[in-house]
Amino acid sequence: DAEITQSPRHKITETGRQVTLACHQTWNHNNMFWYRQDLGHGLRLIHYSYGVHDTNKGEVSDGYSVSRSNTEDLPLTLESAASSQTSVYFCASSEAGWGGETQYFGPGTRLLVL
Amino acid sequence: AQSVTQLDSQVPVFEEAPVELRCNYSSSVSVYLFWYVQYPNQGLQLLLKYLSGSTLVKGINGFEAEFNKSQTSFHLRKPSVHISDTAEYFCAVSDLTGSARQLTFGSGTQLTVLP
Repeated sequence: DAEITQSPRHKITETGRQVTLACHQTWNHNNMFWYRQDLGHGLRLIHYSYGVHDTNKGEVSDGYSVSRSNTEDLPLTLESAASSQTSVYFCASSEAGWGGETQYFGPGTRLLVL
Repeated sequence: AQSVTQLDSQVPVFEEAPVELRCNYSSSVSVYLFWYVQYPNQGLQLLLKYLSGSTLVKGINGFEAEFNKSQTSFHLRKPSVHISDTAEYFCAVSDLTGSARQLTFGSGTQLTVLP
């Protein structure tokens, strides 16, 4: 069965370190998204990609970067981790289309920045 | 710009009782509307979505939602809840513009079903 996986599932890091969160999907979806989930804010879009070599900034992109070198993977990098980036991070993917597509979510990565 | 307001952050309800989770949105253009559910320690999964056509949409696990354009609402309902429906529910919207493939989420409603 197709799926979307994230690794690691839990991560503890220190302020100032670079951290990379992995996202891998086997749906062969063109669209991929990164969200962060914080209490009281729901999910907020960090970055998204509509295809290989395409990346775009979302609502809360400061301090984060992504790159898309193939269809399956969209790693999220925190350039210099800050305590404000402690959160739960979700990756999602969807088919290319006109906007009504279902997004399929990974299980999440819980990140703690000390 | 679009936004989503979920009017209740927590909804406790007894098992087998009906429930309604409220969602209002704002957008200057036509929209697509979604409800996603998140069970503890899991990612989100789609419950149902409204794209066009009938304003009453049926989803998985006995849930349904009604799109009301005049009131800009998309409330989620279930006539009889089970313990297993305990989860967080998110309303989301995408609008029919160049960024239509992006979703804007509400802040979520925690549904707790009590025995």
